[in-house]
Amino acid sequence: QKEVEQDPGPLSVPEGAIVSLNCTYSNSAFQYFMWYRQYSRKGPELLMYTYSSGNKEDGRFTAQVDKSSKYISLFIRDSQPSDSATYLCAMSGGTGFQKLVFGTGTRLLVSP
Amino acid sequence: DSGVTQTPKHLITATGQRVTLRCSPRSGDLSVYWYQQSLDQGLQFLIQYYNGEERAKGNILERFSAQQFPDLHSELNLSSLELGDSALYFCASSPAAVGMNTEAFFGQGTRLTVV
Repeated sequence: QKEVEQDPGPLSVPEGAIVSLNCTYSNSAFQYFMWYRQYSRKGPELLMYTYSSGNKEDGRFTAQVDKSSKYISLFIRDSQPSDSATYLCAMSGGTGFQKLVFGTGTRLLVSP
Repeated sequence: DSGVTQTPKHLITATGQRVTLRCSPRSGDLSVYWYQQSLDQGLQFLIQYYNGEERAKGNILERFSAQQFPDLHSELNLSSLELGDSALYFCASSPAAVGMNTEAFFGQGTRLTVV
């Protein structure tokens, strides 16, 4: 079983839709949770960074962490075609403290 | 622009050869991470250096090695290359080795093709 599970998609939505992206994890020691956006053939770009449980909002993006369920989410409001990319969750903590463990990424397609 | 610079952007080489990938971290960052990304495996952590010392090791093959120099740039050496080593190799940097600030910033990657 992978430490971090993420549905690869693709997830196709119309412009303006609310998008929900999710990851589950098995390591209860994870404390730091991140979402990265990766455009084709480019490096991952950090979108959101949260510590422990709770919500964090930044513009159209909201990150949620539920440590009791080992479940994290990224919501994108008013999605735009420019949001079309692969979204990777990443987390760290515990014995693997210095490395980020990534999900495989969800490919999002926002159509005009 | 993340501030992390990787060279070269593309590399095509033959099986059995050796290549060196280079990474310059963001100004002030002491930690450098190397990741491999292939289609079926996602981002796989290879190795981390902090201020010149190896700090964490992931699924790095014995044919691969890395180092971080006094000016903090890092090199990833891949030898006895096999077709399966074809992938995107990313370098990331962050300010800290351990602690609260663990987010990493990625370079644009080196696309390695082994033929």
